[in-house]
Amino acid sequence: DQQVKQNSPSLSVQEGRISILNCDYTNSMFDYFLWYKKYPAEGPTFLISISSIKDKNEDGRFTVFLNKSAKHLSLHIVPSQPGDSAVYFCAASVASGTYKYIFGTGTRLKVLA
Amino acid sequence: NAGVTQTPKFQVLKTGQSMTLQCAQDMNHEYMSWYRQDPGMGLRLIHYSVGAGITDQGEVPNGYNVSRSTTEDFPLRLLSAAPSQTSVYFCASSYSRLASQTNIQYFGAGTRLSVL
Repeated sequence: DQQVKQNSPSLSVQEGRISILNCDYTNSMFDYFLWYKKYPAEGPTFLISISSIKDKNEDGRFTVFLNKSAKHLSLHIVPSQPGDSAVYFCAASVASGTYKYIFGTGTRLKVLA
Repeated sequence: NAGVTQTPKFQVLKTGQSMTLQCAQDMNHEYMSWYRQDPGMGLRLIHYSVGAGITDQGEVPNGYNVSRSTTEDFPLRLLSAAPSQTSVYFCASSYSRLASQTNIQYFGAGTRLSVL
């Protein structure tokens, strides 16, 4: 049973436009969420996180939104750049500071120049 | 500062062979983990360690052994490789022990393993 789902395997966006990547979860005990970015032949790298006590967290061009009632989070990238082309994973945990995360299956973003 | 180093980068095994995937970190992180990444499955936790001498199972531990004799190293052993273990393996480490701190995991570049 996939507790963290990324239902869009791929997404293509024009450079300069907004990219929206979605993630749904089923476990209501999850209260900490992270997004990782992965380039080919590299390991995932941390991008941005959000705690369940917030509904929004921003870091430059990246914003994560959390809707707890819908068990849904999304990552917005504005404006999108060709260098953002990568696979994006969302991950969830029952508490920050733990070492056990459940990862989604990933969304491959392609930003077209 | 090398971060998390995994060796080898690529490996081909025959069914039944054994091997050890190496993982070392130089950030003095307490927590280390092994994941496997398969198409359509995301990253799945195999084993993890909260410190030297302490290990525990993750979601998919069968067929793998680990040990943690030092803070820096966390090797993953395949005792008898099977084709189902063909995957990309990632090692990760993290530092936080406090529930109030973000526990960001730092990943190695991965080991691509094929079992024939």
